[in-house]
Amino acid sequence: GENVEQHPSTLSVQEGDSAVIKCTYSDSASNYFPWYKQELGKRPQLIIDIRSNVGEKKDQRIAVTLNKTAKHFSLHITETQPEDSAVYFCAASYGNQFYFGTGTSLTVIP
Amino acid sequence: EADIYQTPRYLVIGTGKKITLECSQTMGHDKMYWYQQDPGMELHLIHYSYGVNSTEKGDLSSESTVSRIRTEHFPLTLESARPSHTSQYLCASSEFGTGPEQYFGPGTRLTVT
Repeated sequence: GENVEQHPSTLSVQEGDSAVIKCTYSDSASNYFPWYKQELGKRPQLIIDIRSNVGEKKDQRIAVTLNKTAKHFSLHITETQPEDSAVYFCAASYGNQFYFGTGTSLTVIP
Repeated sequence: EADIYQTPRYLVIGTGKKITLECSQTMGHDKMYWYQQDPGMELHLIHYSYGVNSTEKGDLSSESTVSRIRTEHFPLTLESARPSHTSQYLCASSEFGTGPEQYFGPGTRLTVT
């Protein structure tokens, strides 16, 4: 089955700096890669996703890049704000199952 | 409003009890999932369903069972609760096909004493 690794497990940045979270996957058949944000005590919510036929996608301060050859994808948050503080999960999907990374706890220091 | 609902939100129960966690979605999604998640930790897939009368075990079946008699309803049952079952349980749903977004319910926080 698919194996998704996520790094780092914790990340602290100063407000206004950029944050980068990286994930690798093992199954080359995976073709959909969502990123979820989970605030404390709340449900995970999709913030951005990318399909395997696209190399990069951007939505305001958030961007995701995908390298299919190397089997890794990354989340980039620019101009971080305190409300970006949360746990972020990457996932890889093929067909009907989603395989999640272990999560990154991001803290944005005001 | 189209959403995914879970009840109860919190449950404290004694060891050996049988419990059912409810999940309903009003989005008409074919696929539904149950995940177990300790706070801030990774999500472990317990069960999933492609549609009515379809259920599959995930990597972590956790001694539970599910049923899918109706599209909108996907309950999870623990026949005999144990302290190791203490965790948060998240239900999710998505449309059929590769890559559509998963929508998560608010979760049930279960404590087994």
